[in-house]
Amino acid sequence: GAGVSQSPSNKVTEKGKDVELRCDPISGHTALYWYRQSLGQGLEFLIYFQGNSAPDKSGLPSDRFSAERTGGSVSTLTIQRTQQEDSAVYLCASSLGGGGGEQYFGPGTRLTVT
Amino acid sequence: KNQVEQSPQSLIILEGKNCTLQCNYTVSPFSNLRWYKQDTGRGPVSLTIMTFSENTKSNGRYTATLDADTKQSSLHITASQLSDSASYICVVKLTGGGNKLTFGTGTQLKVEL
Repeated sequence: GAGVSQSPSNKVTEKGKDVELRCDPISGHTALYWYRQSLGQGLEFLIYFQGNSAPDKSGLPSDRFSAERTGGSVSTLTIQRTQQEDSAVYLCASSLGGGGGEQYFGPGTRLTVT
Repeated sequence: KNQVEQSPQSLIILEGKNCTLQCNYTVSPFSNLRWYKQDTGRGPVSLTIMTFSENTKSNGRYTATLDADTKQSSLHITASQLSDSASYICVVKLTGGGNKLTFGTGTQLKVEL
């Protein structure tokens, strides 16, 4: 595909359930980022992958959040034991390199925890 | 306190009019400043990226300015169109801050007939 894709586009889950959000970056992009956008808030950095380096997990809000990037391409963000405050739009972005260059965003996954 | 503050929070203008959005930041040391446009239900799309040495950068009807001394930036939209209705987000990248970006909360612009 030409751009970053994310799935699902919308996810409604019950409190306490686990969810997995998927991101397909632009082919050839070595850097991948996850952000969270809560209502009325600016985007919040969650985690950053660059090539084969250890990911920067400094933005993950709790140990219920984790992410993987398999084969240097697709990434999955997992939220365990979801809470209502996890409700937000989760955005993924990719960039050609890790030097702070242009980031291209996906459309996001809107997560609603009931 | 948010390190990137934008004003106004929201703005309504008539089609064809110009407008200017403001961004003040306190983060430092500063590497570059970006303006993004985010349509409802979509991811942000980059409009401009400016380093600390650049004062202005244009992208079509969008012109961004930067004053690194006062830590202020503005985004000027000329001859607005209905399709300009979106959230405009100011983003600052720190020097040596890894690749984390600091985002403002955005200005919600609505262009009406």
